[in-house]
Amino acid sequence: GAVVSQHPSRVICKSGTSVKIECRSLDFQATTMFWYRQFPKQSLMLMATSNEGSKATYEQGVEKDKFLINHASLTLSTLTVTSAHPEDSSFYICSARGQGGSNEKLFFGSGTQLSVL
Amino acid sequence: SQQGEEDPQALSIQEGENATMNCSYKTSINNLQWYRQNSGRGLVHLILIRSNEREKHSGRLRVTLDTSKKSSSLLITASRAADTASYFCATDEGTSGSRLTFGEGTQLTVNP
Repeated sequence: GAVVSQHPSRVICKSGTSVKIECRSLDFQATTMFWYRQFPKQSLMLMATSNEGSKATYEQGVEKDKFLINHASLTLSTLTVTSAHPEDSSFYICSARGQGGSNEKLFFGSGTQLSVL
Repeated sequence: SQQGEEDPQALSIQEGENATMNCSYKTSINNLQWYRQNSGRGLVHLILIRSNEREKHSGRLRVTLDTSKKSSSLLITASRAADTASYFCATDEGTSGSRLTFGEGTQLTVNP
């Protein structure tokens, strides 16, 4: 099946710094990728939909200037958490829709655990 | 906002027993999907059932869908310790470019 690679898997940073998370589709082209945030023992909260070559679509309540999303190619989307604060500490997961007959299901990266000190 | 509600929130069973998880949703859907998440990892797609289907099987998994009640169930038969994970239902409303809306999840623990 399709593979989505997400890096880094874990990052610890100081408050005020920016952190970039990469999401790559390894064996297929993903015109659309999704970024989720997940708190412990909770469900996934969709943050934004990333479209290749255009601006991301953010969900209500998600700060565009805080969470910068870039989808410059069909295989790479990045999420940058700018000026991170402790409340941004969370598990961030990207996903992409499959292609062809698999286009209804999502393939997920392995997630990034962000800890802001 | 999350439209899927799942119950139970947590389920603990013994190996070999069956596990049933339920999911309810609010809007019309194109399909409903079940995903599994091991702790600290991404989600893995398990099975998809379309709105015109009532039941689907895949190995030890059995999914039912009742669109009149807007509910679905996931049954795992002959559970194994390796089935321990969180299970999420996700609904697809089917509009162009639509995203999936995930339920709250059920934490399943299978004791050896």
